[in-house]
Amino acid sequence: QQQVKQSPQSLIVQKGGISIINCAYENTAFDYFPWYQQFPGKGPALLIAIRPDVSEKKEGRFTISFNKSAKQFSLHIMDSQPGDSATYFCAARAGNTGGFKTIFGAGTRLFVKA
Amino acid sequence: DTAVSQTPKYLVTQMGNDKSIKCEQNLGHDTMYWYKQDSKKFLKIMFSYNNKELIINETVPNRFSPKSPDKAHLNLHINSLELGDSAVYFCASSSTANYGYTFGSGTRLTVV
Repeated sequence: QQQVKQSPQSLIVQKGGISIINCAYENTAFDYFPWYQQFPGKGPALLIAIRPDVSEKKEGRFTISFNKSAKQFSLHIMDSQPGDSATYFCAARAGNTGGFKTIFGAGTRLFVKA
Repeated sequence: DTAVSQTPKYLVTQMGNDKSIKCEQNLGHDTMYWYKQDSKKFLKIMFSYNNKELIINETVPNRFSPKSPDKAHLNLHINSLELGDSAVYFCASSSTANYGYTFGSGTRLTVV
């Protein structure tokens, strides 16, 4: 059972545009929602994360928007650059009652056109 | 200094063989993980150890056996390799205080 649903599967954005990736979750035991960035041949790297008591978190060009009632969260990449081209994973960590597992979404391949 | 290092980076082996992948972290984290990434990039947790104690053991064939000799090391041994085991295996670590993972660069396993 996929507990974190991510969309779209792939995304093409013009340089300077806004990239938006969406995720939805089901398990209310999740208590931490990170986003990871993965370049080809590398391991995923933590990009930005949010906890459910906050509705938005911004770090540079990257912003997470979190809607607890809708069980949805999204990543916005402002002023997208070709160097942002990578696979992005949303994830959710189960708290104490969920066994402390981090479940990953299926990934979004982002391509930023120069 | 590499924070989470895995060896080997590539592993090509025949069906039926037994192989091991090693992982070490120098971040002082207390929890380590093995994830499998399939050809569609999907990341699935396999095992997790906290201070050498197994805390997560997903539905993984018994042919896969993790071992954590200390909290800085987590190895994965695979017996009787099958074609379907071909994937990229990632080791990761985290601390109790900070939930974000640090991943290794992965081991690409190809079973022929």
